[in-house]
Amino acid sequence: KNQVEQSPQSLIILEGKNCTLQCNYTVSPFSNLRWYKQDTGRGPVSLTIMTFSENTKSNGRYTATLDADTKQSSLHITASQLSDSASYICVVSAFGLGTYKYIFGTGTRLKVLA
Amino acid sequence: DSGVTQTPKHLITATGQRVTLRCSPRSGDLSVYWYQQSLDQGLQFLIQYYNGEERAKGNILERFSAQQFPDLHSELNLSSLELGDSALYFCASSVTGLAGEWSYNEQFFGPGTRLTVL
Repeated sequence: KNQVEQSPQSLIILEGKNCTLQCNYTVSPFSNLRWYKQDTGRGPVSLTIMTFSENTKSNGRYTATLDADTKQSSLHITASQLSDSASYICVVSAFGLGTYKYIFGTGTRLKVLA
Repeated sequence: DSGVTQTPKHLITATGQRVTLRCSPRSGDLSVYWYQQSLDQGLQFLIQYYNGEERAKGNILERFSAQQFPDLHSELNLSSLELGDSALYFCASSVTGLAGEWSYNEQFFGPGTRLTVL
């Protein structure tokens, strides 16, 4: 069964600290993995996208890693800011039988405190 | 602002009713995607249209249907509504939606329509 699991469910950190969010998946055939940031009540915004051959990708203070062998990904946030408070969603897409499936994790809720 | 517009912003209706949600993609985008986000389930992909044709289907109920019009706007029709259909419904658009290309396509999400079924 295609699944995407994220941990932790929620996280509270102090401004300026670093944190790492995890995403484990059992999706095949794997096509790509994307991390989204979603502010409360708003649509998600894409942070990074990685395909099978990519191990790491950065977008400013956000760095995503992918281990296709263990089917794990992480999103590292450096020097957190108050504006980083949001839900972070991991999405894995699979392509098979001529169509795509997009499997979303339930997200990690991050709260950054001053 | 992503450039994707959705109307209405809020919708309150009763069980058994039928509603239509509307989405206008970014200028130049040919693909439209619909997603449902319930409080306890996270985002669920419903359906994708590319240039008027259905391209991919997710966990869309038979009571739900969608279409994309020649001007590329899309509508999601929800009928025989149940309490459990209460959710945020997002539309997203991307430039293309052809097989193999979605991977590299940025999807831009609209602000969502909050549906409440009483």
